[in-house]
Amino acid sequence: AQSVTQLGSHVSVSEGALVLLRCNYSSSVPPYLFWYVQYPNQGLQLLLKYTTGATLVKGINGFEAEFKKSETSFHLTKPSAHMSDAAEYFCAVSRGFKTIFGAGTRLFVKA
Amino acid sequence: DAGITQSPRHKVTETGTPVTLRCHQTENHRYMYWYRQDPGHGLRLIHYSYGVKDTDKGEVSDGYSVSRSKTEDFLLTLESATSSQTSVYFCAVAGGDSNQPQHFGDGTRLSIL
Repeated sequence: AQSVTQLGSHVSVSEGALVLLRCNYSSSVPPYLFWYVQYPNQGLQLLLKYTTGATLVKGINGFEAEFKKSETSFHLTKPSAHMSDAAEYFCAVSRGFKTIFGAGTRLFVKA
Repeated sequence: DAGITQSPRHKVTETGTPVTLRCHQTENHRYMYWYRQDPGHGLRLIHYSYGVKDTDKGEVSDGYSVSRSKTEDFLLTLESATSSQTSVYFCAVAGGDSNQPQHFGDGTRLSIL
């Protein structure tokens, strides 16, 4: 069975600081991994995904994530936070049609 | 913009009434999904479709049915709504040759009193 754990339901950073959102997964088979972002009153947008190949994945808006099999992690980072990054972020693991989402981490960015 | 429209965007109804939510897409995607979003649970898959008239259950399908008679429309029906089905419902489609959800509609906020 697959599952996803996002560490921290809320994360607060200052504008210009590093953003680090943590995600750990469990999967009995090699997983596909995703990060999505959700702005208020909108649906989710795909930030980036890992399927196979290079373990460092670059996404939109300056975000990237690294697949670490030994740690079963797929943490999301951005070197310098911007006010527009304030949103809720979801990590997800998938195999076939079944995509399992984490509970989400709300990112606050302070001026 | 993946051309996904959900209707209605908001609905308030009473326990025991039937409710149908519509998802319409304009880009001929084969795979379509219905999710519900509840605080602390992320998104949970209700049903999905892998083609016209081809659908299957997700992890929280009890109390819900779906239909897909045309590529562009995927309907979610609550036959007899209950208060536990109060939620925000999202439709999604898979992009390209993927079968994972990549584009989402803006959601339907459903309240069942």
